[in-house]
Amino acid sequence: SYVLTQPPSVSVAPGKTARITCGGNNIGSKSVHWYQQKPGQAPVLVIYYDRDRPSGIPERFSGSNSGNTATLTISRVEAGDEADYYCQVWDSSSDHRVFGGGTKLTVL
Amino acid sequence: QVQLVQSGSELKKPGASVKVSCKASGYTFTSYALNWVRQAPGQGLEWMGWINTNTGNPTYAQGFSGRCVFSLDTSVSTAYLQISSLKAEDTAVYYCARDLYYFDYWGQGTLVTVSS
Repeated sequence: SYVLTQPPSVSVAPGKTARITCGGNNIGSKSVHWYQQKPGQAPVLVIYYDRDRPSGIPERFSGSNSGNTATLTISRVEAGDEADYYCQVWDSSSDHRVFGGGTKLTVL
Repeated sequence: QVQLVQSGSELKKPGASVKVSCKASGYTFTSYALNWVRQAPGQGLEWMGWINTNTGNPTYAQGFSGRCVFSLDTSVSTAYLQISSLKAEDTAVYYCARDLYYFDYWGQGTLVTVSS
């Protein structure tokens, strides 16, 4: 089955840029989606199809995907961005959805 | 507006069964598949599988096909997750989520606690 690998944690100072990676074999050939989950809440979609933002998601959130790595970039990080972030793909060979292990973003 | 509203928390003994519901509103229920996602305490999101709301055909992720059953009642726009022979390790929050190959809307989650 397809495996997605995320760093367990990323730390960033307020106002700086956070980059959260999601690694997978030739992930650039797949569409990657990203979710934000705050404690006690359901996940929220923040990026879909590599780089599209749902309505209501700030422009500070952006995504890219190439080769074996997809990246969620959060610019001008705010305290309210502190959360767990998950990447997800659709594995067409199995018709399964797959999540990465998640990354805890800490705002220093 | 689109909403997925799940049933309330459950406390079950080992060996019992539980049935979690997910009621959809604000869109045509049969136009989108529904997924189930598990999150054990302090752990990440784990995809359990999805159900085709047109045909009722389920697809289960590895490890969830034995004791988990997905079902529908399209007359009330509701999907169900039933887990049988519950074990302590089934203690988790279970989410339903609407499917577009990604999950654009999520239920609020249902906590299932398995304890003697």
